[in-house]
Amino acid sequence: GESVGLHLPTLSVQEGDNSIINCAYSNSASDYFIWYKQESGKGPQFIIDIRSNMDKRQGQRVTVLLNKTVKHLSLQIAATQPGDSAVYFCAETPNAGGTSYGKLTFGQGTILTVHP
Amino acid sequence: DTEVTQTPKHLVMGMTNKKSLKCEQHMGHRAMYWYKQKAKKPPELMFVYSYEKLSINESVPSRFSPECPNSSLLNLHLHALQPEDSALYLCASSQERPREQYFGPGTRLTVT
Repeated sequence: GESVGLHLPTLSVQEGDNSIINCAYSNSASDYFIWYKQESGKGPQFIIDIRSNMDKRQGQRVTVLLNKTVKHLSLQIAATQPGDSAVYFCAETPNAGGTSYGKLTFGQGTILTVHP
Repeated sequence: DTEVTQTPKHLVMGMTNKKSLKCEQHMGHRAMYWYKQKAKKPPELMFVYSYEKLSINESVPSRFSPECPNSSLLNLHLHALQPEDSALYLCASSQERPREQYFGPGTRLTVT
């Protein structure tokens, strides 16, 4: 079946280190990929997204890489800070149109802990 | 205003009760969503409204009844819930593109 999943459920890093969170997906029809951050007691917060026709996109301190050959997505956080501690979810959505339009499927999540 | 608000923040209800969850956004978004999230799990899509019409129902039991009175409001009516329905219920909204969804803080529901 279709799935979006993560290789590692937890990641602990020291403040100032770079963090890499990985995600695997299986749906070849996935058109758009998003990373969300969810802090305790809050709803998911949009971080960065990437379309299937791109392989890299950069934001402020974050970079998303997409490898369509192996259906792999990663989120890189530079100079990780304690405020980055949260659960990170990858999510995918299919192409526009069709019955799945608007459907966001989340991966299982990675808990990132940043130690001061 | 980039905020999605949800009320109440917490709700405890018995299995025979009827209650409603409320979601509101004033970003002019035309798509609104309900998700269910169990502890240590990702959000699971329940319903999608597009232009105030129900466009996706992910085979959700009829004890959950969504309603979209207008483009800014989304309700979730609850009736005869089961203890396993206890979860965090998240509302989200987006512009026509479904991709950049803005989430509210959620309603923590406990069914006793």
